[in-house]
Amino acid sequence: QVQLVESGGGVVKPGRSLRLSCAASGFTFSSYAMHWVRQTPGKGLEWVAVISYDGNNKYYADSVKGRFTISRDNSKSALYLQMNSLRAEDTAVYYCARDPYYYDSTYYFDYWGQGTLVTVSS
Amino acid sequence: EIVMTQSPATLSVSPGERATLSCRASQSVSSNLAWYQQRPGLAPRLLIYGASTRATGIPARFSGSGSATEFTLTISSLQSEDFAVYYCQQYNNWPRITFGQGTRLQIK
Repeated sequence: QVQLVESGGGVVKPGRSLRLSCAASGFTFSSYAMHWVRQTPGKGLEWVAVISYDGNNKYYADSVKGRFTISRDNSKSALYLQMNSLRAEDTAVYYCARDPYYYDSTYYFDYWGQGTLVTVSS
Repeated sequence: EIVMTQSPATLSVSPGERATLSCRASQSVSSNLAWYQQRPGLAPRLLIYGASTRATGIPARFSGSGSATEFTLTISSLQSEDFAVYYCQQYNNWPRITFGQGTRLQIK
């Protein structure tokens, strides 16, 4: 069965960095685009970034562009989110999520991880 | 940015009854609309995509309809496990996809 397990969340001071990881199993990771989506009580669900199945194409929400970097290692079935220059408004639960189509990106999500909490606070 | 507005914010329905949730887009999203269910403490779960296609393993009591700017999620006979928060999401305007703010379905 498809499993996505995030890790790397925690408490970090504003301006610092954090790297999230997502370990995938139960499917051919290298065939699917992958996303990061975050959720806060105030702003609800917000899409953060996507990476194509081969890692060649990446897109970001305007709110994180230039600060966050999505990457993947298909040999390890792993997805990453490098978050730099963190702000209080980046505080959220971060989910990795699978795009449902082979070798394409549709921008909806058929499987989600359990999420990892990132808290940005001084 | 396409704004997705869900109504009502909270819906109270008795088990066994029908629930109707609405989602409106600020401009047309064609049929590029998904619905998710989120139970407390869990990740969202895909219910519907393409406005009306049930995702794998989703019971037939869940149905979606609509196109362009007006969409509806109907749960025909509410079970205890259906009381949760429901979100709509447009993916027509990728990568600037957006979610609604959610409808909380609670037991009456």
